[in-house]
Amino acid sequence: DSGVTQTPKHLITATGQRVTLRCSPRSGDLSVYWYQQSLDQGLQFLIQYYNGEERAKGNILERFSAQQFPDLHSELNLSSLELGDSALYFCASSAEDYEDRGGSEAFFGQGTRLTVV
Amino acid sequence: DAKTTQPNSMESNEEEPVHLPCNHSTISGTDYIHWYRQLPSQGPEYVIHGLTSNVNNRMASLAIAEDRKSSTLILHRATLRDAAVYYCILRDVGGGTSYGKLTFGQGTILTVHP
Repeated sequence: DSGVTQTPKHLITATGQRVTLRCSPRSGDLSVYWYQQSLDQGLQFLIQYYNGEERAKGNILERFSAQQFPDLHSELNLSSLELGDSALYFCASSAEDYEDRGGSEAFFGQGTRLTVV
Repeated sequence: DAKTTQPNSMESNEEEPVHLPCNHSTISGTDYIHWYRQLPSQGPEYVIHGLTSNVNNRMASLAIAEDRKSSTLILHRATLRDAAVYYCILRDVGGGTSYGKLTFGQGTILTVHP
C-alpha cells in the first residue's frame, strides 16, 4: 500500500459527460501529480500541484482541470468526455519541498480506470 | 526534458541476476536518475534513485557510470514478482515549469521465467 488513495477505482460514463477523480496523498506530502495512461500513449504527465498551487503543467487538455485543496487532497475534473479519454488516471504524491525537487521518491495510487462509452 | 533510452524488453530466469541498462547521454549535472517499475494493473512503484554514486537498497542496486551518461539497474536475484515494466527516468529539477515531475518513457518489459 503506497498510502495514496484514489477514488473511484472504476468509472464508466458517456461521451459529453463530466467526471471528477479524487486523490488523497500520503500524509504530509505536499506535491501531487496526475498522470494519464492509455494503451497507445504510455504514462503521460498531466499536472502537478504543490501545497495548493499549480506548479507544472504537461499534456493536459483544456477540457481537463485540477485543483489541490487546503487539506492537500486533489481532484481532477474531466469534462466534455470523448472516447479517447478512456484511460487509467494515476495520482502520485511526494514529500519534496521546493528546494529538493530531484531526490524525493513519488508514491502512486492504484489509479482510476475511466471508460467513456 | 532530458531523454532516456532503454531496451524494449529483456528476459531472465528466476533467481538469476538481471541488469537493466539505461542510456541518458543528455543528462545535466543536477538531474537525478530514478527507476520505477509498474506491475500489471498497478500504479508505478519507486525502485531506487541516485545522483552520482552507486546506490543500494532492499529492492535493487543502481550503478551509475562515471560520466553519468548511462546507468544500470541491478536486480540481484530475480523472482516472478519482479516481472514488470521498468522505467528509467531523469528527475527534472529545472526551474521555470519543471518542478520534479517524472517523465516516463516506454520502459523495458522484463519477463522472468520460472
